Amino acid sequence: DIQLTQSPSFLSASVGDRVTITCRASQGISSYLAWYQQKPGKAPKLLIYAASTLQSGVPSRFSGSGSGTEFTLTISSLQPEDFATYYCQQLNSYPGTFGQGTKVEIK
Amino acid sequence: QVQLVQSGAEVKKPGSSVKVSCEASGGTFTSYSFSWVRQAPGQGLEWMGRIVPVIGVTHYAQKFQDRVAITADTNTRTVYMELSSLRSEDTAVYYCAKGSSSGFGSPPDYWGQGTLVTVSS
Repeated sequence: DIQLTQSPSFLSASVGDRVTITCRASQGISSYLAWYQQKPGKAPKLLIYAASTLQSGVPSRFSGSGSGTEFTLTISSLQPEDFATYYCQQLNSYPGTFGQGTKVEIK
Repeated sequence: QVQLVQSGAEVKKPGSSVKVSCEASGGTFTSYSFSWVRQAPGQGLEWMGRIVPVIGVTHYAQKFQDRVAITADTNTRTVYMELSSLRSEDTAVYYCAKGSSSGFGSPPDYWGQGTLVTVSS
């Protein structure tokens, strides 16, 4: 199975900060990577797919980049509603593994 | 607008089975794939398996291969996940999620509300 490692696991930031989360795959996955946001008690929400394509309705402050084994999710200016846990998922080969998550909390 | 509505919370004994349903409304049911993802309390997301209803093809994570069955009823637009030989470690919220197309590379763009399954003696 392909392993995904997110860093950091925990991030403390302030409103307005630029935030970057990294997801590293144990082997190449081309651009078959998605990013999700999850808030407590809620289902995950798709933010980015195909590594860099913004899902419809998602604010443009979210962006994704990368291919192969290294990917990043960037929030250009953190907003109060962005405090949540973020997960990456690879969709290159079965099973569709997730990263362990990155919790973004208010500083 | 697609909506996925899952069945209600379940409490099960160790060794028993649970079957969770996920009814889809809106969209073209046979154009999509459906995945099941679970989340144990305080833990991350875990992919369990996937079905493409129009062709009935399933794929399962090896971890669950012997215990899980994902099925679909195209008439009722409902997808099911049955997990057998339950143990306490299976206590989790189970989510169904719709792929944006039938291809595996298309990520889930709509998710159900989640179903809490508690396994306890």
